[in-house]
Amino acid sequence: DIQMTQSPSSLSASVGDRVTITCQASQDISKYLNWYQQKPGKAPELLLYEASNLEAGVPSRFSGSRSGTDFTFTIASLQPEDIATYYCQQYDTLPLTFGGGTKVEIK
Amino acid sequence: QAHLVQSGAEVRKPGASVKVSCKASGYTFSSQGISWVRQAPGQGLEWMGWISASNGHTTYAQKFQGRVTMTRDTSTSIAYMELTSLGSDDTAIYYCARDRPGGADAFDIWGQGTMLTVSS
Repeated sequence: DIQMTQSPSSLSASVGDRVTITCQASQDISKYLNWYQQKPGKAPELLLYEASNLEAGVPSRFSGSRSGTDFTFTIASLQPEDIATYYCQQYDTLPLTFGGGTKVEIK
Repeated sequence: QAHLVQSGAEVRKPGASVKVSCKASGYTFSSQGISWVRQAPGQGLEWMGWISASNGHTTYAQKFQGRVTMTRDTSTSIAYMELTSLGSDDTAIYYCARDRPGGADAFDIWGQGTMLTVSS
């Protein structure tokens, strides 16, 4: 199975800060990576697909990029409603696998 | 607007089975596949498998092969996930999720989750 290593596992930042989360794949997955947001007690929501494409209705402060097997998820200006856990998910090879998650809190 | 509504919480004893339902509305059910993803308490997300809503073809994660069966009923727009030989480590929230139209093997619509507790 492809392992997705997410870092950090948690972070604390101030409102307005730029927040960056990384996800490293254990092998080449091309651009086949999605990002989700999960708020406490809720189901995940799709934010980005194919590494950098914003899902419809998702605020433009969210973005993603890829460099080889390393993927970066960025919140340009952290908002209070962004408090959540973020997951990456690869879809290059079955089984689909998720990163361990990054919990984002407000400082 | 597309929605997935799941059946309610379940409690089972070890060794038992459970069948969770996922009713789709607001879109053409047979047009998109459905995956099942679970989340143990305080843990991350784990993909269990996928069913084509159009022809019923299934793909299961090897971890669950032999224990999971995914089916669907196109007449009622309901997908089902049955898990057998339950153990305490199957205690989790089980989600159904729709394949995103247009591909990317992404899940754009999720059910609200079904909590399964396995305890003697």
